[in-house]
Amino acid sequence: EVQLVQSGGGLVQPGGSLRLSCVASGYIFSSYWIHWVREAPGKGLEWVSRINSDGSSADYVESVKGRFTVSRDNAKNTAYLQMHSLRVEDTAVYYCARIGLAYFDFWGQGNMVIVSS
Amino acid sequence: DIQMTQSPSSLSVSMGDRVTITCQASQDISEHLNWYQHKPGTPPKLLIHDASNLPTGVPSRFSGSGSGTDFTFTITSLQPGDIATYYCQQFEKIPYTFGLGTKVEIK
Repeated sequence: EVQLVQSGGGLVQPGGSLRLSCVASGYIFSSYWIHWVREAPGKGLEWVSRINSDGSSADYVESVKGRFTVSRDNAKNTAYLQMHSLRVEDTAVYYCARIGLAYFDFWGQGNMVIVSS
Repeated sequence: DIQMTQSPSSLSVSMGDRVTITCQASQDISEHLNWYQHKPGTPPKLLIHDASNLPTGVPSRFSGSGSGTDFTFTITSLQPGDIATYYCQQFEKIPYTFGLGTKVEIK
């Protein structure tokens, strides 16, 4: 059974840092890209970032470029989203998701990140 | 970035009603469009991929159509478990933008 289990959310002050983890099981982790999607309170879904299967390439939404870094450790079946210089507007539930051919077929359970003083 | 204009933003319906949601892309995205169902406290669930394809296990009352810039999502007969927010999402170009969502509520 494919599973993505997330950890690492929490409360952080503006300007702070946080790292989210996404541990995969039930499939060959190194064969699939991983994406991150967030949902801010009262707002819709927003695509945040993606990383390719071997970790050599990544993309980001403009609002997080230079502050967020996505990475992966295929030996540990884990993807990471490192977030620096966090802003109040980064407050959201963050999801990791596996992308199959061209759609998100499995998702993590979500991690709440609250940026507040 | 490709903008996805989804409408309506909310719908108040009765059980058994037909539900139709539209999504318009700001540029041609061929059939590179997915539809997701999102309920509070749970991750989104894929309902339609590549504009009109139903994943295994998704009930046939859900359907999608369209190509280019105009897309439609339909629930033929609303069931209680269908109360949720629905999103379209394009995967033509990065960033993979979503529509703003359609919240389906009971009348």
